[in-house]
Amino acid sequence: ELKVEQNPLFLSMQEGKNYTIYCNYSTTSDRLYWYRQDPGKSLESLFVLLSNGAVKQEGRLMASLDTKARLSTLHITAAVHDLSATYFCAVDRDTGTASKLTFGTGTRLQVTL
Amino acid sequence: NAGVTQTPKFRILKIGQSMTLQCTQDMNHNYMYWYRQDPGMGLKLIYYSVGAGITDKGEVPNGYNVSRSTTEDFPLRLELAAPSQTSVYFCASMGYNNEQFFGPGTRLTVL
Repeated sequence: ELKVEQNPLFLSMQEGKNYTIYCNYSTTSDRLYWYRQDPGKSLESLFVLLSNGAVKQEGRLMASLDTKARLSTLHITAAVHDLSATYFCAVDRDTGTASKLTFGTGTRLQVTL
Repeated sequence: NAGVTQTPKFRILKIGQSMTLQCTQDMNHNYMYWYRQDPGMGLKLIYYSVGAGITDKGEVPNGYNVSRSTTEDFPLRLELAAPSQTSVYFCASMGYNNEQFFGPGTRLTVL
């Protein structure tokens, strides 16, 4: 059974600081996704990582994937309050085309002024 | 494009009642999914469909049924509601690069 673990589960950081969220998973997969969820809202797709060594950047967020280590990171640079949300990684456990995702429990990020 | 839409937004059911959660997408995606999200947790896959007429179980299918008669619609049926089904339900469809797009969710309470 695929297990996806995120840490930390909760992160409080000051504006302007840098930090990294980690996503570890237990079985082989080379497809990993990052989502953002604001309170009471739906999930917004942030990054799609489809191969070992994939790195994607959007604004202050950068995601990477190391399939050999079964690890993805979401790096936050110079955090701003607008980044406060819950971030989920999701790993595709299907090797075909159906894309069945197993989600981590999420990292709740709070950026303080 | 409206993307993925879900109705209703909120619903309260009594134990043993039935209901159908509606999901529609206008992106012509073949793959569609139903997830549930319990408080403070990630999403869990209930059922998915790879195209009209084809559905399959996910991680937590017990207590639910689905059908897919058209590409656009993928309703989720709860037959005998139980308190354990209190959750937020998200429908999603899959596009390019296996990226999934989520609907706004249905918040269901079973009392």
